[in-house]
Amino acid sequence: SQTIHQWPATLVQPVGSPLSLECTVEGTSNPNLYWYRQAAGRGLQLLFYSVGIGQISSEVPQNLSASRPQDRQFILSSKKLLLSDSGFYLCAWSVSNVRNEQFFGPGTRLTVL
Amino acid sequence: AQTVTQSQPEMSVQEAETVTLSCTYDTSENNYYLFWYKQPPSRQMILVIRQEAYKQQNATENRFSVNFQKAAKSFSLKISDSQLGDTAMYFCGSIGSNYQLIWGAGTKLIIKP
Repeated sequence: SQTIHQWPATLVQPVGSPLSLECTVEGTSNPNLYWYRQAAGRGLQLLFYSVGIGQISSEVPQNLSASRPQDRQFILSSKKLLLSDSGFYLCAWSVSNVRNEQFFGPGTRLTVL
Repeated sequence: AQTVTQSQPEMSVQEAETVTLSCTYDTSENNYYLFWYKQPPSRQMILVIRQEAYKQQNATENRFSVNFQKAAKSFSLKISDSQLGDTAMYFCGSIGSNYQLIWGAGTKLIIKP
């Protein structure tokens, strides 16, 4: 069976510090991978998606970036965090080339102080 | 472009009652998929039910069923015999040929004891 992991679960960082959130998927190959951000009580905002290693599409221009160094690894980064980067970050995967549902990780709660 | 609209920001019902959450969408495609996700206080995103647009029969999963009206572009979720554990945010989503899941803003559902 497939599983998706995210870490850390919770993170408190000062403004201007770097960020690295990691997401890994097990039990599947060549998945589509997604990063979402969710503000409190709000919907999901797609940040990045990837259909393969090194292939990243950005949906929202901002100070965040994403990388996919391995088939089942997706990393969300920032060189300098802003207060507005606070939120709940969700990673998801789906079967490639299929209009299928997305499966979500447990999320990371990021607080920028 | 696809859009998804959830017009009910918040709903509350008594335990054991039936509740219907509304969702409308707009797409020019013929082949697409629709989903309902649940996000309880733990913030884990859980797939509730999916519907293929080419299927006329409404999807059902135990106490959860949909009323899919393709001509009206409506996709409502009915929860029968509601339980306290159904308290959550509910998100409607649509996916088309670009494999991107378009999300509604969500409906907060509160089941009262």
